[in-house]
Amino acid sequence: AQKVTQAQTEISVVEKEDVTLDCVYETRDTTYYLFWYKQPPSGELVFLIRRNSFDEQNEISGRYSWNFQKSTSSFNFTITASQVVDSAVYFCALTLRGNAGNMLTFGGGTRLMVKP
Amino acid sequence: DADVTQTPRNRITKTGKRIMLECSQTKGHDRMYWYRQDPGLGLRLIYYSFDVKDINKGEISDGYSVSRQAQAKFSLSLESAIPNQTALYFCATSDTGGAGYEQYFGPGTRLTVT
Repeated sequence: AQKVTQAQTEISVVEKEDVTLDCVYETRDTTYYLFWYKQPPSGELVFLIRRNSFDEQNEISGRYSWNFQKSTSSFNFTITASQVVDSAVYFCALTLRGNAGNMLTFGGGTRLMVKP
Repeated sequence: DADVTQTPRNRITKTGKRIMLECSQTKGHDRMYWYRQDPGLGLRLIYYSFDVKDINKGEISDGYSVSRQAQAKFSLSLESAIPNQTALYFCATSDTGGAGYEQYFGPGTRLTVT
């Protein structure tokens, strides 16, 4: 069975600091997809990124960047120059290609608090 | 208008009561899901449905049942609510096509069982 671990339950930073959220996953499958979702204080889940297991290129989107390393089974998320609006719970999730139901396995989430 | 809606958004109920949470979507997706979120545990899958006639149990289906009334509607029922079912419940949809497709989540329903 697959598993996603987000070891950091809470992180607190001061605005403009860079912060990295860790995600480690476990699966025996060779084809899978990884996701990051953001849950702001309002409660909804916002999709941030999807990465498939064959694409290890890092991705940058504005202040957000993602580092996918299959060798360490990690898919870490970095926010550069954090802002108060980045305060949220962030979830990493995994689904397998052979999973007909497209079911997501979520990590426990990391609560990020950005202080002004 | 939101693509995935959930009603009610908040509900307080008593132990032993039957309660239904409803989900509607306008995305035209075949696949629908119910998750619950508990602090520190992330989201866990309760039930999922590929289409109106195909419903499957997820990781934590005990104590829950579902109904797929139409492609656009997927309801979650707690037949006899208990306090440890207090949680945030999310409905989600996904396009047909297998893994890797993004799931679109509703705004969530906060349920409290006293």
